[in-house]
Amino acid sequence: KNQVEQSPQSLIILEGKNCTLQCNYTVSPFSNLRWYKQDTGRGPVSLTIMTFSENTKSNGRYTATLDADTKQSSLHITASQLSDSASYICVVSASGNTGKLIFGQGTTLQVKP
Amino acid sequence: DTGVSQNPRHKITKRGQNVTFRCDPISEHNRLYWYRQTLGQGPEFLTYFQNEAQLEKSRLLSDRFSAERPKGSFSTLEIQRTEQGDSAMYLCASSLNGYTGNTIYFGEGSWLTVV
Repeated sequence: KNQVEQSPQSLIILEGKNCTLQCNYTVSPFSNLRWYKQDTGRGPVSLTIMTFSENTKSNGRYTATLDADTKQSSLHITASQLSDSASYICVVSASGNTGKLIFGQGTTLQVKP
Repeated sequence: DTGVSQNPRHKITKRGQNVTFRCDPISEHNRLYWYRQTLGQGPEFLTYFQNEAQLEKSRLLSDRFSAERPKGSFSTLEIQRTEQGDSAMYLCASSLNGYTGNTIYFGEGSWLTVV
């Protein structure tokens, strides 16, 4: 069964600190992995997209890594800001031109002053 | 480019009533997706279109659900005889095509509450 699991479920950090979120997937055959940020009550916003040949991708203070062999990904947030408080969702799609994205349950990040 | 637009943003309806949500994708995006999200969960796939063709439907999309995309532009998602379990946020997304590296843009969602 194609699944995406994220950890931790929730995280609280102080403003200015770094943090790393984890994503494990069992989707096969793998096509690409995306990280989205979702503010409460809003639609998800794309942060990064990585195919199997990419190991790392950065978007400002966000850096995603991908290990296609172990089927793991991480999202590292540097110098956190209060506006980083949101849910971060790992999304994997299978190859074959399907439009189906498989979402993880997300990690809820709270940045405190 | 005004982004993916969804209407209405919020809908409260009585059980048994029909509701319809509309999605206007980013212009020239030929892929359009519908997802459903409940509180504390990640979005779940419902269906997607390539232009006007509905290419895949989830088993979550029961007979009470129907989605259309006439002329390959906007799309509608209709839920007939709503049930309390239908309460969720319905997300629409679009992308330029099915290329693996293309960004998929989401709308702000349509919240449905069935009372």
